[in-house]
This record gives sequence, structure tokens and C-alpha cells, in this order.
Amino acid sequence: KQEVTQIPAALSVPEGENLVLNCSFTDSAIYNLQWFRQDPGKGLTSLLLIQSSQREQTSGRLNASLDKSSGRSTLYIAASQPGDSATYLCAVRDSSASKIIFGSGTRLSIRP
Amino acid sequence: GAVVSQHPSWVICKSGTSVKIECRSLDFQATTMFWYRQFPKQSLMLMATSNEGSKATYEQGVEKDKFLINHASLTLSTLTVTSAHPEDSSFYICSASRPGTGSGEQYFGPGTRLTVT
Repeated sequence: KQEVTQIPAALSVPEGENLVLNCSFTDSAIYNLQWFRQDPGKGLTSLLLIQSSQREQTSGRLNASLDKSSGRSTLYIAASQPGDSATYLCAVRDSSASKIIFGSGTRLSIRP
Repeated sequence: GAVVSQHPSWVICKSGTSVKIECRSLDFQATTMFWYRQFPKQSLMLMATSNEGSKATYEQGVEKDKFLINHASLTLSTLTVTSAHPEDSSFYICSASRPGTGSGEQYFGPGTRLTVT
């Protein structure tokens, strides 16, 4: 059974810092991995999608990497801003592309 | 990107009543949609996979008679919470994939907040 873990559960950093969020999964037979952002009381905003054959994806200040063999993904946020404050979720889709399992999320707070 | 909508965005109902939540794919047809629930400060838990024209597949521990799922068309799936109780209060989110792209990217609806009093 696939399990997805995110560390840390919460993170607070001053504005301008670069930071890394971690996601690990137990079964390396995945179809893809997706990072989302969720603001309080809101739905999900897709940030980056990495296919199982890819190593990383970039969008603006965000860079996500995937190491399938070790069951790890990282989300790198450069030059953090207060507007980046949110909960970040990683989600793994299994190899049969039938289910998506979410991590528990990292609550990020960027201090002005 | 693809758009998935949900209706209503929030609903308050009394214990014992039933509530229907709609999930629509607005610009693509989705043979499969997924339903999740999220408790406060927790992550999303997959409840069931909704398949167009056939019965939904429920995750272990989810009562299929309590959470009725109907996927009657390629753009609409509904989740009905029957005989709702306060412990059913939660944030319900649906998702769908755009077929044919091969990416498997999931597009999520904005969620429905259910409060049972």
C-alpha cells in the first residue's frame, strides 16, 4: 500500500529565503507525482506535475525534483514571499494511474 | 488548464437529511472522477473512484450506502451524503483527468464545505 509522507509538517521562514519541502513515498512504481498548494478553506492549485520518467520540473520560482528509486521528491521555492504562505501537498498517482494518494502536507509561513 | 466545478461551494444541513454535491468537468469529458474528503488541518483522503456508466469503487472504510456516487454522464458526477450526521461535516473535493493527454494530471474542483448541525 502506497504511503506518502511530507516533512516538515510546518515551516516558518523569513521572507527572501530559499526553502525545500520534502515528500517521500513507499512504492516507487508511480505514474506521476504532483505538487499542490492549498490556501485555508480553499481548493487545490496545481503547481507542478512530474511524470515518472522525468527528473524535475520548473515553473518560475518553483522547482520540483523526483527520484523514483529512492522514493523522494522535493519542492524548492526560491526567494520566498509572504504570498507563498499556504499548505503544500504532494500527491502520488500509482502506476496503474487509478488512484492518487496525498501526503499530509507542509504548512508554510513566510514572515515579512 | 482544464476546469472542474463543484456545486454548492458550501452547505449547511440538519442531521438526518441528505445532501447532494455535484462535480462537473466544464471543458472536457471525464470517464473517471475521484472524490476526496478533508478534515480540518488534515490531508485529502480518497473516498471513491467514480466511473461513468458503472458503479463507483469505494476505498476501504467508506460506507457506500452512506456516500452514494452517481456518474451518469461524462461531465457530471454526484456525491450524496445520506442521513447526514455532524461527523460527516467536512470539506469534499472532486477531481478529474483530461483524457487523451497521457499526463494523468488531476484537475481539482474548488471543494464543497459541508456542515451538519
